Amino acid sequence: AQKITQTQPGMFVQEKEAVTLDCTYDTSDPSYGLFWYKQPSSGEMIFLIYQGSYDQQNATEGRYSLNFQKARKSANLVISASQLGDSAMYFCAMRERNSGYALNFGKGTSLLVTP
Amino acid sequence: DTGVSQDPRHKITKRGQNVTFRCDPISEHNRLYWYRQTLGQGPEFLTYFQNEAQLEKSRLLSDRFSAERPKGSFSTLEIQRTEQGDSAMYLCASSLVGGLATTNTGELFFGEGSRLTVL
Repeated sequence: AQKITQTQPGMFVQEKEAVTLDCTYDTSDPSYGLFWYKQPSSGEMIFLIYQGSYDQQNATEGRYSLNFQKARKSANLVISASQLGDSAMYFCAMRERNSGYALNFGKGTSLLVTP
Repeated sequence: DTGVSQDPRHKITKRGQNVTFRCDPISEHNRLYWYRQTLGQGPEFLTYFQNEAQLEKSRLLSDRFSAERPKGSFSTLEIQRTEQGDSAMYLCASSLVGGLATTNTGELFFGEGSRLTVL
């Protein structure tokens, strides 16, 4: 069964606008972590933001914030004030306590920022 | 540059040949991971090492695949008798787990990948 679901294959956003990329996850482990990575066309995976399952507050890192709704098992990434350089693939990933710190990735969302 | 480095970046081979990829992790990182990524998909976990011990292998890692991390530093991933279905990007990542790190999300730091094309 897919543990990470990203339902948006592609998204468009206009420069300077905010965009939300959806991610839902499936786990029975009470201790887990959720990650978002960016993969530009050059291929490297760039870590953006982390949310632990016991964290009380939503994570924020600069223009990135994570809308963590534990009961709904969703961890959506919000990018504020989009920039052209934000155009990339975005992957949501989960680490479960018993997974040896290996990450399970979703299929990704392609984001295109337009002028 | 002290990030994760992978070599070669690109490899084209004929079906049936063996290929080997090398990964040099961030020096103080104790965990090393191999992932495979095909076009339009997210990375898929293959295997990981804690220092020199290989602790987990995915079912994706067939008998033709072998990974080593002999001294707990660099790692190699060998694919024997390559098939066209092996064509993919092979990503290496490392992380620091435990130790004296005071803030440690266990995030993975990825290399730029080794792209394999099997003809």
